[in-house]
Amino acid sequence: GAGVSQSPRYKVAKRGQDVALRCDPISGHVSLFWYQQALGQGPEFLTYFQNEAQLDKSGLPSDRFFAERPEGSVSTLKIQRTQQEDSAVYLCASSLEATNTGELFFGEGSRLTVL
Amino acid sequence: GNSVTQMEGPVTLSEEAFLTINCTYTATGYPSLFWYVQYPGEGLQLLLKATKADDKGSNKGFEATYRKETTSFHLEKGSVQVSDSAVYFCALRIMEYGNKLVFGAGTILRVKS
Repeated sequence: GAGVSQSPRYKVAKRGQDVALRCDPISGHVSLFWYQQALGQGPEFLTYFQNEAQLDKSGLPSDRFFAERPEGSVSTLKIQRTQQEDSAVYLCASSLEATNTGELFFGEGSRLTVL
Repeated sequence: GNSVTQMEGPVTLSEEAFLTINCTYTATGYPSLFWYVQYPGEGLQLLLKATKADDKGSNKGFEATYRKETTSFHLEKGSVQVSDSAVYFCALRIMEYGNKLVFGAGTILRVKS
């Protein structure tokens, strides 16, 4: 597609359930980022991939969060045993270059609500 | 640490009014600075950027100047339109700390006709 595509757009989970969020970056984009955006806040960095390599996962809030990009294209963010504090919009962004000029192309996000 | 502080919103203006959204930053290195905009129902998109002191970024009538002495990157537009209603995010990136952007909390702009 023309832009970054994320699915599902909305997800409601019961506390303790596992969820998986998918990101389809722009074709050919080397860099892929995941961000978490709480209500009324700016996006907070979670993790970064360059092709299939996860180069930075310093923003993942706990070991319940796991991300992968096995073929250097589609990425999945998995959250195990969801908690209420995980409720947020999860944003995926991609960038053409490995060095990141700073222009990220964002998807519309996946809104997760944990009950 | 590295952080960005934006003026709180919402900012409500009449069409053709002058806009300023303040942004200041704290950085342990030498950052590049960005403004991203999120229109209703859309993803964030880059509005403008500046990579070194005294650079001015501009796009769609918006401008921001990288001021190292005041650690600021205020967003301005001379005459806003209803279509400028959106959430505006200031952000920084420091190469020494990887490729991630650090965002401010965002400022909601509402323009009335």
